[in-house]
Amino acid sequence: QKEVEQNSGPLSVPEGAIASLNCTYSDRVSQSFFWYRQYSGKSPELIMSIYSNGDKEDGRFTAQLNKASQYVSLLIRDSQPSDSATYLCAVKDNYGQNFVFGPGTRLSVLP
Amino acid sequence: GAVVSQHPSWVICKSGTSVKIECRSLDFQATTMFWYRQFPKQSLMLMATSNEGSKATYEQGVEKDKFLINHASLTLSTLTVTSAHPEDSSFYICSAPTRGVSYEQYFGPGTRLTVT
Repeated sequence: QKEVEQNSGPLSVPEGAIASLNCTYSDRVSQSFFWYRQYSGKSPELIMSIYSNGDKEDGRFTAQLNKASQYVSLLIRDSQPSDSATYLCAVKDNYGQNFVFGPGTRLSVLP
Repeated sequence: GAVVSQHPSWVICKSGTSVKIECRSLDFQATTMFWYRQFPKQSLMLMATSNEGSKATYEQGVEKDKFLINHASLTLSTLTVTSAHPEDSSFYICSAPTRGVSYEQYFGPGTRLTVT
């Protein structure tokens, strides 16, 4: 059973701070990793994908991947109240087409 | 990113009736689409994988005779909730993966079903 784990939170950070969201996965052959943001009552929205070890930056978001440790993280710099949402980590392996989603971490950015 | 639409965005139906939800990939072809269900404050739950031109693959515990899936074309999949009951009330979301250099999954906006 392939698993993706996340701390459910809530993670509370003050406005302007860096929010750090973490995810671990069980399947060593996983090659593709994704972060989704889901606002309450809405569907998930893809915000980052990462395929290679190291960091990938996109605006205020940085995804970090360490395949040896089976760990992927998302950093949100200069957090804004509008970043308050649930962040889902998703992992895809090379064999199937589906993604395995983590349970999500609820982030609250306090003004 | 790629665009996936769903229709309707919300629906209210009476117990015992059937409801059809459409999922379309608007700017790309999708031989595979996924259907999820999400109850309030809970995680996404994959219900089934919809395959163009063949039968859907259902996750364990999902009744295939109750949740009928038809992948009629490379851009359209439908989910029909048959003989709906109040416990079927949920947020139904479809998604479709893009192919090529990057393989990313994009979600539709979701359909909120309320069965009275």
